[in-house]
Amino acid sequence: GQQVMQIPQYQHVQEGEDFTTYCNSSTTLSNIQWYKQRPGGHPVFLIQLVKSGEVKKQKRLTFQFGEAKKNSSLHITATQTTDVGTYFCAGPPGGANNLFFGTGTRLTVIP
Amino acid sequence: GAVVSQHPSWVICKSGTSVKIECRSLDFQATTMFWYRQFPKQSLMLMATSNEGSKATYEQGVEKDKFLINHASLTLSTLTVTSAHPEDSSFYICSARREGVLTGELFFGEGSRLTVL
Repeated sequence: GQQVMQIPQYQHVQEGEDFTTYCNSSTTLSNIQWYKQRPGGHPVFLIQLVKSGEVKKQKRLTFQFGEAKKNSSLHITATQTTDVGTYFCAGPPGGANNLFFGTGTRLTVIP
Repeated sequence: GAVVSQHPSWVICKSGTSVKIECRSLDFQATTMFWYRQFPKQSLMLMATSNEGSKATYEQGVEKDKFLINHASLTLSTLTVTSAHPEDSSFYICSARREGVLTGELFFGEGSRLTVL
C-alpha cells in the first residue's frame, strides 16, 4: 500500500530560525496537500499543489512539489510561536479521491 | 470556510458496549466523507471512505463489522464502534469534501476522543 513518510519526526527551533519538513511518497501522487494540526486540535488545510515542480508561497511558508510528484517540502522562514503544531503532508494515490497522511513533523518553537 | 461538526467530542464507555459518532457538514453537502483514527502523537490513519447512499469502502485491516459506517444523507455520516474494547480507545476524526469536488481540501471535524474502560 501507499506509504507517505516525513522527516524529521520532531523539530525544536529557536524563535526566528527557519524550519523545513520533507515528505516522501512511495507512489506518484496526483496532488499533495499540507495540513497543520495544533496540539489538541484537528487538522486544518494549508495548501494544495498539483503540478510537477510547483512552488507556492503563503507569507513565511513555502511549499514545493517534486518533479516526479513523489515528494514535497514545506519551509517556514523565521518561525514564530504561533507556528507550533504538527505538519502533515497528504496525498491521494494515483487517481483515487481518498487521502493518505504522512507521518507528520512536530514543530516546537522556543521563545 | 466550510464547517464540519462532530459529536460527541469525547466519550467514555464500558468494554462491550457500542458507541456512535456523528459527523455533520453544516454549510455544505458532502457526497464523500472520510473517517480517520489517530493515536497519541501519531499520524492520521484512514479507516474508511463513506459514500452517500452506498456502502463504505474500508481500508485494509479495518474490520467493517466492528466499525459500522452509515452515510444516509449528504450532510451526515455516522461511525459506530461496536462491542468496543480498550484497544479501540483512540481519537476518531471525520472529514468531508464538498459535493462535486473529487480532489481538493478536506474539512475536518473537531474529533471524538473515545476511551473504553
